[in-house]
Formats: sequence, structure tokens, C-alpha cells
Amino acid sequence: KAGVTQTPRYLIKTRGQQVTLSCSPISGHRSVSWYQQTPGQGLQFLFEYFSETQRNKGNFPGRFSGRQFSNSRSEMNVSTLELGDSALYLCASSWRGGGDYGYTFGSGTRLTVV
Amino acid sequence: DAKTTQPPSMDCAEGRAANLPCNHSTISGNEYVYWYRQIHSQGPQYIIHGLKNNETNEMASLIITEDRKSSTLILPHATLRDTAVYYCIVSRNTGNQFYFGTGTSLTVIP
Repeated sequence: KAGVTQTPRYLIKTRGQQVTLSCSPISGHRSVSWYQQTPGQGLQFLFEYFSETQRNKGNFPGRFSGRQFSNSRSEMNVSTLELGDSALYLCASSWRGGGDYGYTFGSGTRLTVV
Repeated sequence: DAKTTQPPSMDCAEGRAANLPCNHSTISGNEYVYWYRQIHSQGPQYIIHGLKNNETNEMASLIITEDRKSSTLILPHATLRDTAVYYCIVSRNTGNQFYFGTGTSLTVIP
């Protein structure tokens, strides 16, 4: 079966711009989580959506937001980009969040802010 | 969620067993132990998970101590492709995000 698909794979944006990243979960999975990975901070949880509702949220500023659609696809938006937002953004899906096989991760979107 | 402690790095000879330890002394009764690995710049990959019993799958074995305060991931015959960062995570079974620590960087040496 198809895995978790993240688009685009690479993105270069200018400071102050906004960006939208997309994640298509595995078919049937209703939970989608987003993580930010940087060399200095490692993997950090952003938020989780389950059945179109944000269920958990990490400690990130309000510039980071997300949503989930009725088909479980999710988008993450970062407004007013800062240089420090340069990172690998990972999306993970699961049937109900965590669970028997944890999460399946996508390959990520590499965002560079210049 | 409980915090985990892992050694920052380990080496293992190719073909030998790699034993990666993890301490989770504050684990709760309803928290599972999950292991993931991340090969450079790819998304983390699920390896195995368990609650209290030892578990084995085609990739690895997971040994959890009786008091559940620590566990060991065993890769029985390490190959060069097993070089990766290995993360030990404890989390309730559903509805919880994973807190990734710094993991163990495993280098398999030819």
C-alpha cells in the first residue's frame, strides 16, 4: 500500500513569506502528526490532527498552524517565515494515533528560509 | 510521557549483534516502549514495540526488563544498512504524540 506522501520534497522561501506543506496519510489512517527536525533541537512535535480536529499541540508559536480535511489529508502552514524555521518537516500518520504500530512517517519536506 | 535515556553513540561490527539500551525509569503501567530508527535525512522508520513481554519481528528483538524500567533493542546480525540513529520512545498506546530524545547513533563497521 502507498505510504505517507509529503509534498513538496524541497522548498526555498524568503524570510517573511508564508508556506504551506501537504501530507497525504496512508489510506484509512485518521491521525496525522507533524514534526519539525533541526540539527540543534532534534525531532520536535508540532501538532496532531484526528478526524479533522486538532487533538494535541506542541510548544510552537502561533505562526505554525495546520488543518486536516475530511479525507484525512493534512496541511501545515507557517506564516512570517524566520531563518530559524529552516528544517525538515515530517508528517506521520496512524489509524488512531500511536496505537499498535505507532506512526508511519513520510520522507519529509526540506524547507530552507533565506 | 516518560523520558528516555540512551547512549549517544555506539559502534558494532558488521555481522555481529547490536544491542542498544534504553532507560525509562519513570514509565507508567499503560505506556508502551517503541523503537524507531532514522537513516540520514529520511523519515523515522518503525522497528518494534512492546508493553511488558519480549517481542521479536523480522527486523529486531525487544527485551524489556521485568520492572519495565529499561529495555534493549537487539539487531541480530547488523549490516552496513543498519547505520542510523535509533530512538527509544515511551508513549501511551493511543492519542499521544511521540517525544523523540536524542537517540543513539549506531555505526556498523565493516
